Amino acid sequence: QKEVEQDPGPLSVPEGAIVSLNCTYSNSAFQYFMWYRQYSRKGPELLMYTYSSGNKEDGRFTAQVDKSSKYISLFIRDSQPSDSATYLCAMRGGGNKLTFGTGTQLKVEL
Amino acid sequence: EPEVTQTPSHQVTQMGQEVILRCVPISNHLYFYWYRQILGQKVEFLVSFYNNEISEKSEIFDDQFSVERPDGSNFTLKIRSTKLEDSAMYFCASSLQGSNTEAFFGQGTRLTVV
Repeated sequence: QKEVEQDPGPLSVPEGAIVSLNCTYSNSAFQYFMWYRQYSRKGPELLMYTYSSGNKEDGRFTAQVDKSSKYISLFIRDSQPSDSATYLCAMRGGGNKLTFGTGTQLKVEL
Repeated sequence: EPEVTQTPSHQVTQMGQEVILRCVPISNHLYFYWYRQILGQKVEFLVSFYNNEISEKSEIFDDQFSVERPDGSNFTLKIRSTKLEDSAMYFCASSLQGSNTEAFFGQGTRLTVV
């Protein structure tokens, strides 16, 4: 079983839709969770950082963590064509390394 | 806004040659990292560096790889004898503290080994 599972997509939605992106993980030691956005051939850009179960909101983005189910989500409201990118979940346990999911490719259509 | 900068953006090298990838982490950060992403694959951890020594490394980070902080601002990754399979995007990242703080990534160096 992979440590972090993420549906690679592609996911195509119309502009204005609510997008739901998800990751599951198997390692109970993961305590810190991040979502990154990556445009083609660019570096990952940090969107959200959470460390407790529950929801965290920042503008159009909401990160949700359910440690009991080992499941994290990122919701994007009022999606825009500029949100088209690959979204990476990443997580850390007690050490410093981040373990990434494979990324979900999102396309927001006009 | 502070950012991690990497140079060069693209490096082409012949198999067997040494390459040095350079990074300037965010100035007040204490932890530095290198990750790589082979085309079409996920981002993979290579090494973390704190207080002038390696704090953690992956199986990928073998004797061909080394890291150094030669001065107060730069952080480098050296690949001693490049192989075709080293072709990838290499990302530098930094964080203020260790596991409990966010990591910020640079734009990457695309390494092509021919």
